[in-house]
Amino acid sequence: NAGVTQTPKFQVLKTGQSMTLQCAQDMNHNSMYWYRQDPGMGLRLIYYSASEGTTDKGEVPNGYNVSRLNKREFSLRLESAAPSQTSVYFCASSEYGGQPDTDTQYFGPGTRLTVL
Amino acid sequence: AQSVTQLDSQVPVFEEAPVELRCNYSSSVSVYLFWYVQYPNQGLQLLLKYLSGSTLVKGINGFEAEFNKSQTSFHLRKPSVHISDTAEYFCAVTTLLSASKIIFGSGTRLSIRP
Repeated sequence: NAGVTQTPKFQVLKTGQSMTLQCAQDMNHNSMYWYRQDPGMGLRLIYYSASEGTTDKGEVPNGYNVSRLNKREFSLRLESAAPSQTSVYFCASSEYGGQPDTDTQYFGPGTRLTVL
Repeated sequence: AQSVTQLDSQVPVFEEAPVELRCNYSSSVSVYLFWYVQYPNQGLQLLLKYLSGSTLVKGINGFEAEFNKSQTSFHLRKPSVHISDTAEYFCAVTTLLSASKIIFGSGTRLSIRP
C-alpha cells in the first residue's frame, strides 16, 4: 500500500515548456487535490476532483489544467510554464471530500518544479 | 471567506522544553480546524483536528490543541519536545459548506536545539 505517489520528484523547465505532473493513489479514495506550496504562503489549492469525472477550480487555477483519468489518477498540466510557477506541488486524496468530520486528506511526497 | 494566521514563522526551543505554536482563524460560520505536520522533504500528515465538542483535542506524538471560540484561536502545544519534532507545522480551517477547500496558514517552522 503505497498511499499517494507523485512523479517526477524534481523537474526543471524552461519558460514556455509544457509538462504533466502525475499523481496516483491506491486507497480507493473518491476525492483528489492538487496544491502548490510557496515559501511563507502555506499550501494553496489549485484544482480538486470531488469524484471520478468531476473537477473544480481551487484558489489558484490560472495556468494549470487537470485530468481525472480514472479513480486512481489525477494529473496536473502546465501548458506553458512561467517562472511564477516555480513551486513544490503536492497531490492529496481523501475518501469522500466534503465531509471534514470523517474525512482526512493524505498527501504525496511532492514534486519540486523550477521554471527558468 | 475563511482565513488562518500563524503568528510565528519560526519557533526555536530546547529539547524537552514545552512549546506552543499559535494559530488564529477568521470565519463568519462554524469551522473545522486542523494541524498538519510536514517533516523535511515529505508531504503533510494530519496531527489532529477539531470538529465539535470538547475544546481540547489530542493528536499524535503527544501534541494537543485547544479551540477557543471567543479568541478565535487554535494553538498547538506539547509539554516536552524531542529532536524528532523538528518540522514545519500548518494550521488549517474549513467549513461544512466548503469542506473540500481547506485553507492553510503560512506555517511555523519548529526547530529543536539539543
